[in-house]
Amino acid sequence: RKEVEQDPGPFNVPEGATVAFNCTYSNSASQSFFWYRQDCRKEPKLLMSVYSSGNEDGRFTAQLNRASQYISLLIRDSKLSDSATYLCVVSTTDSWGKLQFGAGTQVVVTP
Amino acid sequence: DTGVSQNPRHKITKRGQNVTFRCDPISEHNRLYWYRQTLGQGPEFLTYFQNEAQLEKSRLLSDRFSAERPKGSFSTLEIQRTEQGDSAMYLCASSRLAGGRTGELFFGEGSRLTVL
Repeated sequence: RKEVEQDPGPFNVPEGATVAFNCTYSNSASQSFFWYRQDCRKEPKLLMSVYSSGNEDGRFTAQLNRASQYISLLIRDSKLSDSATYLCVVSTTDSWGKLQFGAGTQVVVTP
Repeated sequence: DTGVSQNPRHKITKRGQNVTFRCDPISEHNRLYWYRQTLGQGPEFLTYFQNEAQLEKSRLLSDRFSAERPKGSFSTLEIQRTEQGDSAMYLCASSRLAGGRTGELFFGEGSRLTVL
């Protein structure tokens, strides 16, 4: 079983709509959680951290459910430029240097 | 450009040959990471350094792989006796010491390896 699992998608979203997707993690010792964004043929870039209480960054909202070991990302008012692969990332307290990436969820925003 | 720099960007080699990739991190970053990414997958952790010390290695890093960061600045990743399964994008990233907690890794554009 992979440590971080994501629905690969693609999620086809009309421009202006809302899209949400989850990721699950298997290691209960995971302490830090992040969403990265990766554009086609580009390097991954940090989108946002995920805090226990949930957090927003503009049109993006991240949630953490420790009991069920999943993280979610919601994108409101989708823009064409939001088309990308969103990577779920976790790290554990015993290995702060080792970020574990999921395989990514592809989002395609259509006009 | 003060980002993470990797070279070569592309390498095509024949099976059995050795290849070496270089990564120059952001200058003030203490930590340097190597990841490998194949099509349709997320980056897979290979190893990371804190200054010149290699602190962790993945089981993915067989004895054909070796990484160094001799002076705590640039790093090299060498693959000996390449196999077709080594074909992938090799990503280097760097961060400050708190990178694992903040999640803020800065990736280079990667070195794409094709083994024929």
